[in-house]
Amino acid sequence: AQSVTQLGSHVSVSEGALVLLRCNYSSSVPPYLFWYVQYPNQGLQLLLKYTSAATLVKGINGFEAEFKKSETSFHLTKPSAHMSDAAEYFCAVSDRMGNTPLVFGKGTRLSVIA
Amino acid sequence: DTGVSQNPRHKITKRGQNVTFRCDPISEHNRLYWYRQTLGQGPEFLTYFQNEAQLEKSRLLSDRFSAERPKGSFSTLEIQRTEQGDSAMYLCASSATGAPGETQYFGPGTRLLVL
Repeated sequence: AQSVTQLGSHVSVSEGALVLLRCNYSSSVPPYLFWYVQYPNQGLQLLLKYTSAATLVKGINGFEAEFKKSETSFHLTKPSAHMSDAAEYFCAVSDRMGNTPLVFGKGTRLSVIA
Repeated sequence: DTGVSQNPRHKITKRGQNVTFRCDPISEHNRLYWYRQTLGQGPEFLTYFQNEAQLEKSRLLSDRFSAERPKGSFSTLEIQRTEQGDSAMYLCASSATGAPGETQYFGPGTRLLVL
């Protein structure tokens, strides 16, 4: 069975500082990995996804993530936080065998301090 | 392309009542998913459709829950005899074909409160 662990339910950074949100996955088969963002009272928006083309994946709004198979990790980073980045971030996994429903982590709330 | 839409956005009901939610996927998307999100948790898969066929149901989907997608376009999710534990955000998502790794596009959700 697949699972996702997001370390830290709440992360707080200063505006302009590095953002690092952690995600570790468990999958018996090579995974597809996703990061979604959720703003208050809204649905989820895809930030980026890993589908094996390249281990470093660039997404929208300056975010990127690196797939590290040896560490079973897919951490999300952004060099410089902006106030508008404050939101809930979810890491998700699906497998390559045709079982496409996503399995989500519990999420990390990002706060950005001015 | 107007994205995935869900109605209503909010629903307050009394315990024991039935409720129905609607999801309109992105036009021509064949795959449609329902997820449930409770406070402080990530979305959890409930069920999905490929066109009008319901292909998988989670064990979270009790007998009080039923979902349909009659013509392979919009979908409805009905909860009968609601319980306070059903209070959650119900999210709908769609994707073009259901291929592994394909992006799922989410709607804004329907927030249900059972009193």
